[in-house]
Amino acid sequence: QVQLVESGGGVVQPGRSLRLSCAASGFTFSSYAIHWVRQAPGKGLEWVALISYDGSNEYYADSVKGRFTISRDNSKSTLYLQMNSLRAEDTAVYFCARDSPYMDVWGKGTTVTVSS
Amino acid sequence: DIVMTQSPDSLAVSLGERATINCRSSQSILYSSDNKNYLAWYQQKPGQPPKLLIYWASTRKSGVPDRFSGSGSGTDFTLTISTLQAEDVAVYYCQQYYDAPRTFGQGTELEIK
Repeated sequence: QVQLVESGGGVVQPGRSLRLSCAASGFTFSSYAIHWVRQAPGKGLEWVALISYDGSNEYYADSVKGRFTISRDNSKSTLYLQMNSLRAEDTAVYFCARDSPYMDVWGKGTTVTVSS
Repeated sequence: DIVMTQSPDSLAVSLGERATINCRSSQSILYSSDNKNYLAWYQQKPGQPPKLLIYWASTRKSGVPDRFSGSGSGTDFTLTISTLQAEDVAVYYCQQYYDAPRTFGQGTELEIK
């Protein structure tokens, strides 16, 4: 079935880096743009980044621009989010979501906690 | 950036009654070339990812109960649950996909009265 599975979350100190992954299955990954969306504890949804189907275009929220990089490997049907210079306010559940152009398929999320 | 504002922030409705959630965008999200409103509604239950309910402002996703409906155009939109069921307790979000950055409303928490 159509599925997105995130991984790579964990506890990290402020200023350090972390890379999240999102593995896709059940659909032609290379045909879809994919988003990262996050949700801080007890808060609403915040869009983080979007990458086009072929990786040629990337878009970022101002809150992560210059620190986070979205990328993809279509040969592995996998999306990535490289997160550098992490801050406490980056603590959240990170979801990947398929762009259709609404977000019609979501992963279950991976939790990132930035704490010393 | 397009700002999405939902009202109310929370809502308590009796079982079997109608629930109405509003969403307003800071600029029109009606694309003139295709006459479509680039708006989606999502439902999120605790500990779960969001689930797409409605897209193009009024198209129900396959499998979503027909008690859920979306309406509106331009800058003002509404999600209506015609007869509230216990399983509809959740937080509901609107989201525009007209432009980047994609933006969500702040969410409306729906509970049973």
